[in-house]
Amino acid sequence: TQLLEQSPQFLSIQEGENLTVYCNSSSVFSSLQWYRQEPGEGPVLLVTVVTGGEVKKLKRLTFQFGDARKDSSLHITAAQPGDTGLYLCAGRTSGTYKYIFGTGTRLKVLA
Amino acid sequence: KAGVTQTPRYLIKTRGQQVTLSCSPISGHRSVSWYQQTPGQGLQFLFEYFSETQRNKGNFPGRFSGRQFSNSRSEMNVSTLELGDSALYLCASSLMTSMRTVRGQETQYFGPGTRLLVL
Repeated sequence: TQLLEQSPQFLSIQEGENLTVYCNSSSVFSSLQWYRQEPGEGPVLLVTVVTGGEVKKLKRLTFQFGDARKDSSLHITAAQPGDTGLYLCAGRTSGTYKYIFGTGTRLKVLA
Repeated sequence: KAGVTQTPRYLIKTRGQQVTLSCSPISGHRSVSWYQQTPGQGLQFLFEYFSETQRNKGNFPGRFSGRQFSNSRSEMNVSTLELGDSALYLCASSLMTSMRTVRGQETQYFGPGTRLLVL
């Protein structure tokens, strides 16, 4: 069974702090995506990475795909209350059309 | 471009009934995937369709089925509902046509989901 483990599961921080969320697997992924989901809504795509070692920046968010394409991280600088939500990583392994979703990290940023 | 739409947004059913959920993908997207999201299990893959063919299936019982029409719209059906089927059902579309990794085609776009409550 393919698994994507995310850590931490829950994170409550003060506005202005930095944080990193990790997404790890024993499987190699041909692509990996990060999403943020609000309660009762569908996940909204943040970024897609496909190359090992790739780093992508989206304003205060920095995403990194591991060299071996088995893991990824999401770093948020100077977190704001608007960053609150459920962060999900999802990977697709080659030879399949199926995306495996991570266990999720629930982030709360306090003003 | 309009996003992925799902209908209905909310649904209440009783055990033993059946339900059909609908998904309209982004225009031009031919791949449609369905997921079930619950607090305990997270997001789990149900199945994926492309050009009216199911290309991949998750580990769900046969009570869960789906289909795709020639205009890429998709439906999923759950028969003989159980309490444990209460969940947010999400549909996602993408441009992915083959298993080959193509930057730009990998991205899945999700709809708002259908919240199903089984009593």
